[in-house]
Amino acid sequence: AQSVTQLGSHVSVSEGALVLLRCNYSSSVPPYLFWYVQYPNQGLQLLLKYTTGATLVKGINGFEAEFKKSETSFHLTKPSAHMSDAAEYFCAVSGGGGTSYGKLTFGQGTILTVHP
Amino acid sequence: DAGITQSPRHKVTETGTPVTLRCHQTENHRYMYWYRQDPGHGLRLIHYSYGVKDTDKGEVSDGYSVSRSKTEDFLLTLESATSSQTSVYFCAIKADRNSGANVLTFGAGSRLTVL
Repeated sequence: AQSVTQLGSHVSVSEGALVLLRCNYSSSVPPYLFWYVQYPNQGLQLLLKYTTGATLVKGINGFEAEFKKSETSFHLTKPSAHMSDAAEYFCAVSGGGGTSYGKLTFGQGTILTVHP
Repeated sequence: DAGITQSPRHKVTETGTPVTLRCHQTENHRYMYWYRQDPGHGLRLIHYSYGVKDTDKGEVSDGYSVSRSKTEDFLLTLESATSSQTSVYFCAIKADRNSGANVLTFGAGSRLTVL
């Protein structure tokens, strides 16, 4: 079984500031981890994923995340926020390989607000 | 956008009426999913399918049924809608080329309001 906790339902930053969105997971098998972004009235778009290998993964729009097994974390960062980054962000986990039929378990989401 | 079409995109209905949401894909992917999105809960899996006539329950399946009689269509049915089923419903597919990575691609969503 898997679960995800996103720390902070709302995060507010100034344009140009560091973005840090926190995600902790629980998984009984080696996890695959994902960050998705949702802009208003749209579906979800994949930002980045971790499956195996390098623990620091880079995604679209300058975002990156680091898988830390010892801390069961997969925090999302971006060095400099842009107004266009304002959206809701979801962390998700699945069991790796063929163990889960591809089912994802999502966190509750974090709304990112970017101030000028 | 992986050729996923959800219909209807918006629907308002009354308590006790049946509702069917349709997810149509054009690329013959094996795996399809229905999620619901509610504030403070993220997305929760309702049902999923791993082939024609092969479906299984997710974590919030009570009050919902699904059918998949052909590869391209995955139907979600609320037999008797309740106000607690007011939500935004998302269909997703797992592209076969990403089958090892569990990457899901989502449709645009169907907003259902039950009065």
